[in-house]
Amino acid sequence: AQSVTQLGSHVSVSEGALVLLRCNYSSSVPPYLFWYVQYPNQGLQLLLKYTTGATLVKGINGFEAEFKKSETSFHLTKPSAHMSDAAEYFCAVSADSGGSNYKLTFGKGTLLTVNP
Amino acid sequence: NAGVTQTPKFQVLKTGQSMTLQCAQDMNHNSMYWYRQDPGMGLRLIYYSASEGTTDKGEVPNGYNVSRLNKREFSLRLESAAPSQTSVYFCASRLQAGAYEQYFGPGTRLTVT
Repeated sequence: AQSVTQLGSHVSVSEGALVLLRCNYSSSVPPYLFWYVQYPNQGLQLLLKYTTGATLVKGINGFEAEFKKSETSFHLTKPSAHMSDAAEYFCAVSADSGGSNYKLTFGKGTLLTVNP
Repeated sequence: NAGVTQTPKFQVLKTGQSMTLQCAQDMNHNSMYWYRQDPGMGLRLIYYSASEGTTDKGEVPNGYNVSRLNKREFSLRLESAAPSQTSVYFCASRLQAGAYEQYFGPGTRLTVT
């Protein structure tokens, strides 16, 4: 079984400040990890993913995340927040549940507010 | 490519009514998924179809049925809607074969009164 915990349901930052959204996971098999972004009244858009290889992954809109196996974490960061980053962010984990069925398990989401 | 499309965008039902939510993808993906999103709950998997001709239950299947009509289309049916099924429903698809990310549709906002 796998699970995802996102610390902080609501994070507020000033424009230009560092964005840090926390995600911890549990998985009994090597995980694949994702961050998705959801703008108001829209579907989810893939921000970045970790599957294998380099543990620091870069995504769209200047976001990046680092896979730390020892800490079972996959925190999302952006050096300088922009007003357009205001959205809800979801961390997700995927692992083989048998028969090559890879299902996503989502965290409960973190709402990012950017203040001018 | 349109990606993943869903119809309708909005729907209001009375308790006990039935309806089908439609989903289609034009990316030649093998796997398709239905989720519901409720405030503070994240997304929860209702049903999925790993490949054409197969369907399996997810985390919250009660009160729903699905049909994988062909490779492109995956529908979700509510036979007798209940207020607890008020939610936003998302369809997603995945290529398989070494690709693990899912691509999402715009969602259907369903209210059951």
